[in-house]
Amino acid sequence: DIVVTQSPDSLALSLGERATINCKSSQSVLYSSNNKDYLAWYQQKPGQPPRLLIYWASTRESGVPDRFSGSGSGTDFTLTISSLQAEDVAVYYCQQYYSTPITFGQGTRLEIK
Amino acid sequence: EVQLVESGGGLVQPGGSLRLSCATSEFTFSSLWMHWVRQVPGKGLMWVSRINSDGTSTAYADSVKGRFTISKDNAKNTLYLQMNSLRAEDTAVYYCSRGTPGYSNSYFDSWGQGTLVTVSS
Repeated sequence: DIVVTQSPDSLALSLGERATINCKSSQSVLYSSNNKDYLAWYQQKPGQPPRLLIYWASTRESGVPDRFSGSGSGTDFTLTISSLQAEDVAVYYCQQYYSTPITFGQGTRLEIK
Repeated sequence: EVQLVESGGGLVQPGGSLRLSCATSEFTFSSLWMHWVRQVPGKGLMWVSRINSDGTSTAYADSVKGRFTISKDNAKNTLYLQMNSLRAEDTAVYYCSRGTPGYSNSYFDSWGQGTLVTVSS
């Protein structure tokens, strides 16, 4: 199984600050035949299901604000929120879909300082 | 608007069974892989199972293999999860989610609201 590890576990920042969440997979999730990284990011607010933010490591889902961006390749990935807004308070998960079983990171809790 | 609505959760004793349903609408259910993902309240996400578009191919997490069965009825646009020999550690919110065309494993662009399964005596 591919183990996906996020860091940090929690993060407290001020409004307007940049938030950076890291995700590391235990093996590469880059599929050489199509040069795509099988890595997604989700946002989950209390009482709600996860919401897809980013897929293929860096493609923003329709309707997601452009302050959210994804980067990285192979085994190391980053979700960046360029300017933190109050509504971004949530838990963020990365997910690898390169191989079965699909696995998620443990989550990063983002709060406002 | 794409909709996925789970039902069938509840309280069940250890060793018991439950059947979850996920009614879908506003997308071509018969052409997509579908998945179940669960979440222990306050904890992280765990993929449970997937099924291909015509229901002929399935896969399961090791922790549920042999106890859970995923199926789908394309005529009713509904996904199912039959859960047998339930254990306390199966207690979680169960979400159905939609896969991506052409990929057995994929990201999930739509999720239901979830149904809570509690296994307790």
